[in-house]
Amino acid sequence: GQQLNQSPQSMFIQEGEDVSMNCTSSSIFNTWLWYKQDPGEGPVLLIALYKAGELTSNGRLTAQFGITRKDSFLNISASIPSDVGIYFCAGQRGGSNYKLTFGKGTLLTVNP
Amino acid sequence: EAGVAQSPRYKIIEKRQSVAFWCNPISGHATLYWYQQILGQGPKLLIQFQNNGVVDDSQLPKDRFSAERLKGVDSTLKIQPAKLEDSAVYLCASSPLQGRETQYFGPGTRLLVL
Repeated sequence: GQQLNQSPQSMFIQEGEDVSMNCTSSSIFNTWLWYKQDPGEGPVLLIALYKAGELTSNGRLTAQFGITRKDSFLNISASIPSDVGIYFCAGQRGGSNYKLTFGKGTLLTVNP
Repeated sequence: EAGVAQSPRYKIIEKRQSVAFWCNPISGHATLYWYQQILGQGPKLLIQFQNNGVVDDSQLPKDRFSAERLKGVDSTLKIQPAKLEDSAVYLCASSPLQGRETQYFGPGTRLLVL
């Protein structure tokens, strides 16, 4: 089935550093979403992107919807210990197909 | 506003046994989703309901998995009989309508099949 290639698989950074992760697909999506999952919990939506080229911020998080509609990236600035978790990208084709296709996730560890 | 509720939170069974998971979506949400999340992977959609009708069950292993959403509110997901490879977290999510509306996830049920 459809897969999203998410990288890197894991990151270990120092508190205060900036982080960047991205997601690519072989086919087009009309919506890109970024989720964070804490241990023992379900994913929580961080940012939703609906238009190609769109750049959206949510506090220290910034995400962009690639012009080709086949990729997206997420940046976290000035990381803090509570940023630790697994970040997932997800694509949605839209139209009559609202199914979310998730990447494999990026495990972020922040060293205080 | 109460979130998506799931139970049980953890379940350990032996292979070939049966198991059922329960989900109560956010009040008023018409769409309900069941996802399977294998360790190290992102969630994979198993089935999507719109009210009490199935919208998409293309990735549901129908020989052993079944789901229902009677009365368009609560939902149950059943596995019968379970296999070792069914060990995963089963996530329930709900959204007000299809489309752009955010999917809100529950905490999941962690299943271990021995």
